[in-house]
Amino acid sequence: GAGVSQSPSNKVTEKGKDVELRCDPISGHTALYWYRQSLGQGLEFLIYFQGNSAPDKSGLPSDRFSAERTGGSVSTLTIQRTQQEDSAVYLCASSLKHTGQPQHFGDGTRLSIL
Amino acid sequence: GDSVTQMEGPVTLSEEAFLTINCTYTATGYPSLFWYVQYPGEGLQLLLKATKADDKGSNKGFEATYRKETTSFHLEKGSVQVSDSAVYFCALSDVSPGGADGLTFGKGTHLIIQP
Repeated sequence: GAGVSQSPSNKVTEKGKDVELRCDPISGHTALYWYRQSLGQGLEFLIYFQGNSAPDKSGLPSDRFSAERTGGSVSTLTIQRTQQEDSAVYLCASSLKHTGQPQHFGDGTRLSIL
Repeated sequence: GDSVTQMEGPVTLSEEAFLTINCTYTATGYPSLFWYVQYPGEGLQLLLKATKADDKGSNKGFEATYRKETTSFHLEKGSVQVSDSAVYFCALSDVSPGGADGLTFGKGTHLIIQP
């Protein structure tokens, strides 16, 4: 497809379970970003990849969160031992390069922790 | 650190009214500025951008001018339509040392246009 693709679109899981969210960026985009959108916090930046490398992981909310990117393309965001405060929409974006280029967003994964 | 401040709303206008949504920013370096729009039930879409001072971004009748002297990027439209009802986010990208790696967003402005 032409845009950023995220899966699943919705995920409902029980507290304490692990979840994995997937992002397929626009072909040829070297930069990939994860954000979280929640009512109380607005849009928060989580992590950025240039190619397969994430220069700075300090934006991840806790050590239960991890992310990886393989082959300079698909990325996964994993949340271990989910908590209710992890409920949010997780957005992925990609851009041609990491210098002032606009970021193109996927439709997000709506995560609900019961 | 970098930050973006915008009016949160909701902002309610009648169709064909003039729209201004204010946005001001603070940044470590020389940022690029963006407006994104989120229509009900949809993802974030880029509306317009400006990368240097005095640049004017425009799209779909919306305009915003990068004002470095007032650190502002206000969004304007001369005549709004019901279909413009959405949440609008002002954002900046600052890749200078000390800037965030991702976009810094304002909290969003919920715009409601009544027929």
